[in-house]
Amino acid sequence: GAVVSQHPSWVICKSGTSVKIECRSLDFQATTMFWYRQFPKQSLMLMATSNEGSKATYEQGVEKDKFLINHASLTLSTLTVTSAHPEDSSFYICSARIRAGGVSYEQYFGPGTRLTVT
Amino acid sequence: KNEVEQSPQNLTAQEGEFITINCSYSVGISALHWLQQHPGGGIVSLFMLSSGKKKHGRLIATINIQEKHSSLHITASHPRDSAVYICAAPVGTAGNKLTFGGGTRVLVKP
Repeated sequence: GAVVSQHPSWVICKSGTSVKIECRSLDFQATTMFWYRQFPKQSLMLMATSNEGSKATYEQGVEKDKFLINHASLTLSTLTVTSAHPEDSSFYICSARIRAGGVSYEQYFGPGTRLTVT
Repeated sequence: KNEVEQSPQNLTAQEGEFITINCSYSVGISALHWLQQHPGGGIVSLFMLSSGKKKHGRLIATINIQEKHSSLHITASHPRDSAVYICAAPVGTAGNKLTFGGGTRVLVKP
């Protein structure tokens, strides 16, 4: 099956620093990647939709200047958390979408990145 | 009311038991995803189905488009099946966004 990787799997950083998280589709091309965050015992919350070669579309309430998304190629999207604060500590998950014909798209999830800001 | 609802929220089973998780949705969808999230957090895509039934190992997923209902079955459950199982459906005409159910926390005791 299709594999999506994320790097790093966990990161601890100091308040005020920036952290970059990579999402790669390993064996397929993903025209669209999605970034989610998940707080403990809560469901995934979509942060933004990233299309290759264009600007990301952010969900309401998500600060685009704080969460910078770059989708430079069909296999790589990055999420940079700028000037991180403890409240940004969360589990960040990406998913990548494969076109599977018609209007039905398969979507595969990465293993997630746990960010802790101290 | 959430557009995608799961039941039960929590489920405890003895090893070997047959487990069923239900997912109902209120909007028309093109496909439905079943995901598994282990305590460590990583998410695994189990199934994407738009009709009928799919099977992978001890996992079976069914969907009834007319009734807007899907089920995930685990046969001969094992402690390693303990995880949160989430159904999700794409919302919108382009299927860009997934709406997630609240998840079912499954605990299989040895």
